[in-house]
Amino acid sequence: GAGVSQTPSNKVTEKGKYVELRCDPISGHTALYWYRQSLGQGPEFLIYFQGTGAADDSGLPNDRFFAVRPEGSVSTLKIQRTERGDSAVYLCASSYRGGVSYEQYFGPGTRLTVT
Amino acid sequence: AQKITQTQPGMFVQEKEAVTLDCTYDTSDPSYGLFWYKQPSSGEMIFLIYQGSYDQQNATEGRYSLNFQKARKSANLVISASQLGDSAMYFCAMSLSNAGNNRKLIWGLGTSLAVNP
Repeated sequence: GAGVSQTPSNKVTEKGKYVELRCDPISGHTALYWYRQSLGQGPEFLIYFQGTGAADDSGLPNDRFFAVRPEGSVSTLKIQRTERGDSAVYLCASSYRGGVSYEQYFGPGTRLTVT
Repeated sequence: AQKITQTQPGMFVQEKEAVTLDCTYDTSDPSYGLFWYKQPSSGEMIFLIYQGSYDQQNATEGRYSLNFQKARKSANLVISASQLGDSAMYFCAMSLSNAGNNRKLIWGLGTSLAVNP
């Protein structure tokens, strides 16, 4: 079946602009996670959705970052007034609620570059 | 606080030999899961293996095995019979199991593995 998809694959934007990053999880996966991976680092947790609600947004760095999942499937990560420090790969993962390991399946990521 | 430590920034191994990638973790929670992911240069994160904190036996998945030493808080990945396609970044990660269905992952910095022909 189809895996997790993310669009766009690459996004270049100017400092101060607004961007939206989209994640389409595996069908039937109720849990959705966003992570941010800076160059040479491991991913860092941003936000977790169970269904439509953001159950844990403790990783969002500041109020310029916001994410939604209005119908419990596709999620959009929104970044206002982008800064050069926001440049990173944004990874989305989904998992099935249940199972032993709650294994997360990752999308290919969106590489965001803020100039 | 929960933390994952990977002390090997880079490793080399000869093709067909075995290699061990180190991972230590820190948590005071008794229930947790440990994961290894592979990230090739193309960027996708590929799940390799999982170990639960209460699992009695070390996890194995094909050529991958996890050397779980709970008292030492280590979860090393062993790759047997290395192949050229194993060249990639490898990440160790941990999730807590006492947070309901929230399994957010805490990650190490990764180890870059190069397999030499």
